[in-house]
Amino acid sequence: DIQMTQSPSSVSASVGDRVTITCRASQGVSRWLAWYQQKPGKAPKLLIYAASSLQSGVPSRFSGSGSGTDFTLTISSLQPEDFATYYCQQANSFPLTFGPGTKVDIK
Amino acid sequence: EVQLVESGGGLVQPGGSLRLSCAASGFTVSSNYMNWVRQAPGKGLEWVSVLYSGGITYYADSVKGRFTMSRDNSKNMLYLQMNSLRVEDTAVYYCARDRAAGTRWFDPWGQGTLVTVSS
Repeated sequence: DIQMTQSPSSVSASVGDRVTITCRASQGVSRWLAWYQQKPGKAPKLLIYAASSLQSGVPSRFSGSGSGTDFTLTISSLQPEDFATYYCQQANSFPLTFGPGTKVDIK
Repeated sequence: EVQLVESGGGLVQPGGSLRLSCAASGFTVSSNYMNWVRQAPGKGLEWVSVLYSGGITYYADSVKGRFTMSRDNSKNMLYLQMNSLRVEDTAVYYCARDRAAGTRWFDPWGQGTLVTVSS
């Protein structure tokens, strides 16, 4: 199974800050990587797929990069509605696996 | 509007069974790749299973042999039959569609249904 790790596990930030979250796969997944946002009590929401493609309707302040084993999600200017937990997911092979999540909260 | 609505969750004793349902609207379940993903209370996301449009299924090792995905094309419904339930199966269960068949990333998701396995 491909293990996914994320860093940091949590980050405190202010509105307007640039936030970067890193995701690492235990083996190469090419660009088969997605990012999700989850708010408390809600279902996850797809933000980024294929490592860097922005899902329709997602604000352009979200961006993704990387390939192989190392990936990054960047929020260029944090907005109040962005405080949430973010998960990466590898889609290269079964079983599909998620990272443990990064919680972004208010500083 | 594309939408998924799960139902069927509840409290069940260890060793018991439960069937979850997922009603789809705005698209055809049988033409898409459909998944179940679960989330234990306060924990992260765990992929459970997928059902391809052609009928092939894959399962996580943690549920293989105990859980079965199926669909009813006439009702546009997806199901997850869960047998031999364990305490560690306690979670919110989400159904989710592959964004595009075979891409293995998920959009949309349902709102989830809570399964509690406890004596």
